[in-house]
Amino acid sequence: GAGVSQSPRYKVAKRGQDVALRCDPISGHVSLFWYQQALGQGPEFLTYFQNEAQLDKSGLPSDRFFAERPEGSVSTLKIQRTQQEDSAVYLCASSGQGPTYEQYFGPGTRLTVT
Amino acid sequence: QKEVEQNSGPLSVPEGAIASLNCTYSDRGSQSFFWYRQYSGKSPELIMSIYSNGDKEDGRFTAQLNKASQYVSLLIRDSQPSDSATYLCAVNAGGGADGLTFGKGTHLIIQP
Repeated sequence: GAGVSQSPRYKVAKRGQDVALRCDPISGHVSLFWYQQALGQGPEFLTYFQNEAQLDKSGLPSDRFFAERPEGSVSTLKIQRTQQEDSAVYLCASSGQGPTYEQYFGPGTRLTVT
Repeated sequence: QKEVEQNSGPLSVPEGAIASLNCTYSDRGSQSFFWYRQYSGKSPELIMSIYSNGDKEDGRFTAQLNKASQYVSLLIRDSQPSDSATYLCAVNAGGGADGLTFGKGTHLIIQP
């Protein structure tokens, strides 16, 4: 079946612009996660949704980062007033209802802020 | 602060040999452990999960977990050049759906 999809795959933004990154999880997966991966590093957790509820946003680096999943399916990660340090790959993952909660990743969106 | 430590490598292994990748974690209460493979420019791909002490085998891969030592390892038997990638260790502190804490990854090179 279809995996996790993300769009756009690449995004170039000028410093100060707002961007929106989309994630479409595996059909039927109730949990959705966003991660940020800098070059040469492992992914770092940003936020987590169970259906439409955002249960953990402890990893969001600043109040410029905002995520939503209004209908419990597609999610959008929005970054306002982008800064150069926001340049990274943004990964979305989804998992089912258990018992193993294995997370499957989408292809990622590479964001470059110039 | 939950931490997951891996040797960044590169780890160079001859083709056909066993590659051994190691990971330690700081949160003693961690419940779920995962190994992901990441090719350059691609996203992480789940290859193994392990939840209880001991060994878990899947094809050429064996995951080993020792909760007392807070240690997870991945063995790759009969290593192939296509196994060359970065291997990420990830830990879930809780038993359910939760954000993963990743190590920085070990870069594995299989020499033909």
